[in-house]
Amino acid sequence: KTQVEQSPQSLVVRQGENCVLQCNYSVTPDNHLRWFKQDTGKGLVSLTVLVHENDKTSNGRYSATLDKDAKHSTLHITATLLDDTATYICVVGANTNTGKLTFGDGTVLTVKP
Amino acid sequence: EAAVTQSPRNKVAVTGGKVTLSCNQTNNHNNMYWYRQDTGHGLRLIHYSYGAGSTEKGDIPDGYKASRPSQENFSLILELATPSQTSVYFCASGDGTGGAAETLYFGSGTRLTVL
Repeated sequence: KTQVEQSPQSLVVRQGENCVLQCNYSVTPDNHLRWFKQDTGKGLVSLTVLVHENDKTSNGRYSATLDKDAKHSTLHITATLLDDTATYICVVGANTNTGKLTFGDGTVLTVKP
Repeated sequence: EAAVTQSPRNKVAVTGGKVTLSCNQTNNHNNMYWYRQDTGHGLRLIHYSYGAGSTEKGDIPDGYKASRPSQENFSLILELATPSQTSVYFCASGDGTGGAAETLYFGSGTRLTVL
């Protein structure tokens, strides 16, 4: 059973629109949650890390929330740009050993002109 | 600027052949990781290392060996490659502060096809 489920699998928006990506997980314990951006054919780039119950983070046009009770996180992208076209990956860290990460399959976001 | 460089970028191998994937980091990070990425699975950890001379098994180590001869270099070795090992392989380094505080830097990946 997939321990980190992301939705939607894919999403198409127009440049300038906002979008919300969802991540539900069953990993226990859930020490922290990360969001990464992966451009096609490239490696993962960290966007944000959430640690505490009801954590909220902001990184430019990216903002994220974490609800540990619900085991749920959201990534909001405001005023999308063409360069936001990428796969966004949710990752849950089970403990303080960083190697023990559980990755979601990602949401493929396409931003059209 | 943190940098993780993987080589080769693309590799075609034959079944039963030996394959070595290389990773070099200039970040002076203690931790290094090898993952594979397959559609429907997300990234999965193969091997990792806490420093020169150390290697640890990840979640899917079968069929793979790892070598960390120096702080900068971490190799993934497929002694007898099989078609099921066709995948995209990512190397990452981390500053070893642990947990949420650790920053991870990924290479651009090696696409391996085993025929």
